[in-house]
Amino acid sequence: GAVVSQHPSRVICKSGTSVKIECRSLDFQATTMFWYRQFPKKSLMLMATSNEGSKATYEQGVEKDKFLINHASLTLSTLTVTSAHPEDSSFYICSARDRTPEGFFGQGTRLTVV
Amino acid sequence: AQSVTQPDIHITVSEGASLELRCNYSYGATPYLFWYVQSPGQGLQLLLKYFSGDTLVQGIKGFEAEFKRSQSSFNLRKPSVYWSDAAEYFCAVGDSFGNEKLTFGTGTRLTIIP
Repeated sequence: GAVVSQHPSRVICKSGTSVKIECRSLDFQATTMFWYRQFPKKSLMLMATSNEGSKATYEQGVEKDKFLINHASLTLSTLTVTSAHPEDSSFYICSARDRTPEGFFGQGTRLTVV
Repeated sequence: AQSVTQPDIHITVSEGASLELRCNYSYGATPYLFWYVQSPGQGLQLLLKYFSGDTLVQGIKGFEAEFKRSQSSFNLRKPSVYWSDAAEYFCAVGDSFGNEKLTFGTGTRLTIIP
């Protein structure tokens, strides 16, 4: 099956710094990638949708200047959490799809801001 | 707007017993329906999906789900569970035009007891 690699799996950063999370489709070209945020014991909340070579589309309530998304190639999308604060601590998951509707998920990144 | 309801937050089942996880959706036309499983600290793995055709779909790991339009349901079943099935299960819906966005339910946590 298709493999999506997300890196890092865990990251701890100091408040005020920025952290970048990578999402790579290893064996297929991802025309679209999605970034989700998952709170403890909660469902996945879609943050943004990105298509290769174009600007990401953010969901209502998601700060685009805080959560920078770059989808520079068909196999790589990055999420940068800028000026991170403790309330940004969460589990972030990416999903990549080619032509199939369901997409394939990365392993997730646990971000802790101290 | 489409929505998904998973009425059971937590279910406990004895190993070897049968399982049914409930999922109800709200959508005007025939949706794309999915079940995903998430182990702690991990991403999501697709168990099965329904797009059209036979309303009983078979998935991986011995799971199946039945689409019932009259009840707007897509319940997940397994005749006999193993300890390794303990995880969080998410039902998701996408629209019939293959909308890239999936709407997830709040999840059902499955605990297996010996």
